[in-house]
Amino acid sequence: ETGVTQSPTHLIKTRGQQVTLRCSSQSGHNTVSWYQQALGQGPQFIFQYYREEENGRGNFPPRFSGLQFPNYSSELNVNALELDDSALYLCASRGTNTGELFFGEGSRLTVL
Amino acid sequence: GIQVEQSPPDLILQEGANSTLRCNFSDSVNNLQWFHQNPWGQLINLFYIPSGTKQNGRLSATTVATERYSLLYISSSQTTDSGVYFCAVDPWGQNFVFGPGTRLSVLP
Repeated sequence: ETGVTQSPTHLIKTRGQQVTLRCSSQSGHNTVSWYQQALGQGPQFIFQYYREEENGRGNFPPRFSGLQFPNYSSELNVNALELDDSALYLCASRGTNTGELFFGEGSRLTVL
Repeated sequence: GIQVEQSPPDLILQEGANSTLRCNFSDSVNNLQWFHQNPWGQLINLFYIPSGTKQNGRLSATTVATERYSLLYISSSQTTDSGVYFCAVDPWGQNFVFGPGTRLSVLP
């Protein structure tokens, strides 16, 4: 139990649709990051938010966007879904004084 | 960017056996973690170990930052140890870069 919760756990969308995934960070953690894990691969960094500002981004197109709220919860939005967006999306949080990441259970997205 | 390699890619053990998983990285790092991913996809923290040695029950880990590698030791393996083990490194204190993982199968 990491204290990081994600919703929904599973969802199915069709190509071209939009999706929003949600994450509640561990209490006291003000940094949230999102990762995409395709089948059989390691997670890849999408972006990170600190105090409601994006402060790091991986090699993902602008149709991947996010928000962080004052309570440090976060959303990942993906527009114009493509088949290759099918993956496990993982949210992670960490506190200011530690580099250790704690992950949620993930949201498994299938794009048909 | 930084490269992370893990070996072996696959490992099959009999219950009770010991194993060593290796993680090599191409540049200096601020943070390093080992995770176990269970069949449902949950990434479970094993060790946060930028340097030095730590032990937790049957598991232990050592990171030699100056030589850019880390080792994860599993002793007296159990079937519940099965899954994928990831090493992840954070070179700038911002985001973690994951290795490709080691898939471990422990047979009864």
